[in-house]
Amino acid sequence: IVLTQSPGTLSLSPGERATLSCKASQSISSRYLAWYQLKPGQGPRLLIYGVSIRATGIPDRFSGSGSGTDFTLTISRLEPEDFVLYYCQQYTSSPLTFGGGTKVEIK
Amino acid sequence: QVQLEESGPGLVKPSETLSLTCDVSGGSIIGGDWWNWVRRPPGKGLEWLGEIYHTGTTNYNPSLKSRVTMSVDTSKNQISLSLRSVTAADTGVYYCARRTYATTWTFDYWGRGALVTVSS
Repeated sequence: IVLTQSPGTLSLSPGERATLSCKASQSISSRYLAWYQLKPGQGPRLLIYGVSIRATGIPDRFSGSGSGTDFTLTISRLEPEDFVLYYCQQYTSSPLTFGGGTKVEIK
Repeated sequence: QVQLEESGPGLVKPSETLSLTCDVSGGSIIGGDWWNWVRRPPGKGLEWLGEIYHTGTTNYNPSLKSRVTMSVDTSKNQISLSLRSVTAADTGVYYCARRTYATTWTFDYWGRGALVTVSS
């Protein structure tokens, strides 16, 4: 399953709302879609799994939604530490695949 | 708190074998979880390489299946990755990660990654 993330780069200001898209080449069953955040020098951090379930310790400004082939990660109010890379990932079928990533940068 | 740490040579020559180890602490590798390798080539997205269970059962990405071998050492709480016949395209940051039922089989813990450069 190919995951296409858009936009490639999102330029916003702190306090603004970020909407990141992830489109799958075929339907993702059982809601097996996750989102990760990647900061420089660190491993990816699980943000959302099961399309919309926040992982332990993730602030409620992060939310996930969608179904079938279209999924969205929303950051309601951007904090300075949120300006990094984000990846979606499907785990409904092997091989497990990730999207190409969206970079959220400060405008 | 589970912690994972990758280690291995940072430089590998073309056509040789890339070998990395992942040490797991704060929890046992023997359980219901799968232990994975994921890489990120420079300027590109994440690529899943494969996974291993503590019994030695493996699942590999078909794109790399002919070149990759994963192993587990339960006495050391450690997993290992070997990637044969490397080229410059294998350059990148290599992560180990746990895939767990607790989060419906997503990757909940990751290492910080090990940068591997393939160059002569």
